[in-house]
Amino acid sequence: GEKVEQHESTLSVREGDSAVINCTYTDTASSYFPWYKQEAGKSLHFVIDIRSNVDRKQSQRLIVLLDKKAKRFSLHITATQPEDSAIYFCAASQNSNNRIFFGDGTQLVVKP
Amino acid sequence: GGIITQTPKFLIGQEGQKLTLKCQQNFNHDTMYWYRQDSGKGLRLIYYSITENDLQKGDLSEGYDASREKKSSFSLTVTSAQKNEMAVFLCASSIVGTTNTEVFFGKGTRLTVV
Repeated sequence: GEKVEQHESTLSVREGDSAVINCTYTDTASSYFPWYKQEAGKSLHFVIDIRSNVDRKQSQRLIVLLDKKAKRFSLHITATQPEDSAIYFCAASQNSNNRIFFGDGTQLVVKP
Repeated sequence: GGIITQTPKFLIGQEGQKLTLKCQQNFNHDTMYWYRQDSGKGLRLIYYSITENDLQKGDLSEGYDASREKKSSFSLTVTSAQKNEMAVFLCASSIVGTTNTEVFFGKGTRLTVV
């Protein structure tokens, strides 16, 4: 089955700098890659996704890159703010089988 | 918008006890999931269900039962609570389509076994 790995378990940046979280996956059939954010004491909520028919997607300060050849995708948060501090989870799935596989999460700390 | 409601929010059980966690969604989603999140760790899939009365095992199904009584509800049973077990159980739902596979999560049930 699919295995999603998040390379950074923790990441600390200064406010205003960029943060990059990297993930890899194993199953070439995976075609949908969402990212979720979990703030302290709260549940997960969706932040951005990318599908395998594109290699870049941007939503305001969030950019997702996908390298299908390397089976790698990444979340870039530009101009970080303290409220970006949270655990970020990457995930991968195939549309056909409903299973979504999550990475172990990256704790992002944005220092003022 | 819809909502996923998990009950109870907090659950304290005793070793060996059978405990049931409930989840309701009003998104009219086909697929529902139960994940376990241990402190500082990722999400591990326990069970999921793609339609009413369907049940599929995840990676962590041993020690758990689940039931999809109707489209809107999915319950999880811890068959025998383990002493000192502490985890958050997250229920989620999604609709799988050609353009959107977004998963929505409930706020979780925090389990403590004494």
